[in-house]
Amino acid sequence: DAKTTQPPSMDCAEGRAANLPCNHSTISGNEYVYWYRQIHSQGPQYIIHGLKNNETNEMASLIITEDRKSSTLILPHATLRDTAVYYCIVRSGDSWGKFQFGAGTQVVVTP
Amino acid sequence: DSGVTQTPKHLITATGQRVTLRCSPRSGDLSVYWYQQSLDQGLQFLIQYYNGEERAKGNILERFSAQQFPDLHSELNLSSLELGDSALYFCASSVDPGQSGNTIYFGEGSWLTVV
Repeated sequence: DAKTTQPPSMDCAEGRAANLPCNHSTISGNEYVYWYRQIHSQGPQYIIHGLKNNETNEMASLIITEDRKSSTLILPHATLRDTAVYYCIVRSGDSWGKFQFGAGTQVVVTP
Repeated sequence: DSGVTQTPKHLITATGQRVTLRCSPRSGDLSVYWYQQSLDQGLQFLIQYYNGEERAKGNILERFSAQQFPDLHSELNLSSLELGDSALYFCASSVDPGQSGNTIYFGEGSWLTVV
């Protein structure tokens, strides 16, 4: 599975959009981009995933560049409850086994 | 609530002891994953089972073992415990890890403290 690179931390003002970048320059054609988040010591929570098209759900939007080498997770209106570590994971759709979690991005939403 | 249930939520035990952590996957999910999260490390994949069979292995110590039972619940056995085994242990489940776009859902974890 391709490796990902995320900034270690970022701040966001409450009510503003949070744009979380992820670089996955070695991604291959059958690999999906997943986003999870972990609020302090809770179980990681699934947010969204996509292959090549942009995706949106009730939590967030996922924008994947045309060459698929990077993506951005957008939290449209950040709240204090969105403070968490956000993980970008690239995983083959037919990959038996592990989702590999990196260090993620610590997002702090401030009032 | 992800639908994945883990017990116990908290456990304190002494070095050298053995503990068993239990996981019930979401209804309909056939695959179970175990992860370890220590204070100074991220989420480390330990092992995965699918429909009762081991399918993938990660950084699991020989002192640790797991199994998935016919009713699909799973247990992670940790033996000869050391202080460094203190961690959060997460279970996750998915329907079919071989399917494209498969998603895994995590439980709330079991806190293990070894003293």
